[in-house]
Amino acid sequence: GESVGLHLPTLSVQEGDNSIINCAYSNSASDYFIWYKQESGKGPQFIIDIRSNMDKRQGQRVTVLLNKTVKHLSLQIAATQPGDSAVYFCADPNAGNMLTFGGGTRLMVKP
Amino acid sequence: GAGVSQSPSNKVTEKGKDVELRCDPISGHTALYWYRQSLGQGLEFLIYFQGNSAPDKSGLPSDRFSAERTGGSVSTLTIQRTQQEDSAVYLCASSLDSRFSYEQYFGPGTRLTVT
Repeated sequence: GESVGLHLPTLSVQEGDNSIINCAYSNSASDYFIWYKQESGKGPQFIIDIRSNMDKRQGQRVTVLLNKTVKHLSLQIAATQPGDSAVYFCADPNAGNMLTFGGGTRLMVKP
Repeated sequence: GAGVSQSPSNKVTEKGKDVELRCDPISGHTALYWYRQSLGQGLEFLIYFQGNSAPDKSGLPSDRFSAERTGGSVSTLTIQRTQQEDSAVYLCASSLDSRFSYEQYFGPGTRLTVT
């Protein structure tokens, strides 16, 4: 079936380095994606989104890249900080009002 | 309140007991969603309410699961005859309405442990 998945379950980076979290999707008709951040004990929080008519979108310290050819998107976090430690999900709202989440990547920031 | 609230934050129950989980959405949000998140997993959609329309129950895993939304606001998720595999964090989200479904705001979740 259609799915959204993540390549790595855990990513460990040094504070100040850049982080890249990857996500693959299978539905070629998907035209909108969301990245969520979920800190321990909390619900997911919206970080950034991107539509399929874009290849790149930048926010504050975060950039999302979309490669429709290979059905891959990535979340880049610049100058990673301890507060960035969380699980990151990519979501594909491909079925009406339901969000489909990949398994998540746990980002750990080393001081 | 400022955000989506859920209660209780933690619930431990014995196998076979019924449990009720509560969600208070953001005031004015007409759409409400329930998800389940097992340990180390992504979110699994359970049920969706939009205004006074019939809910979308397509994600409920079994007939032991049911949900209500009274007065278009507070929602209760009920799990009957709980099983150990029901142990998970149950997350509620709300959005302004279904046209803004992408902008879902999540509560902190209820951690359910079935012993």
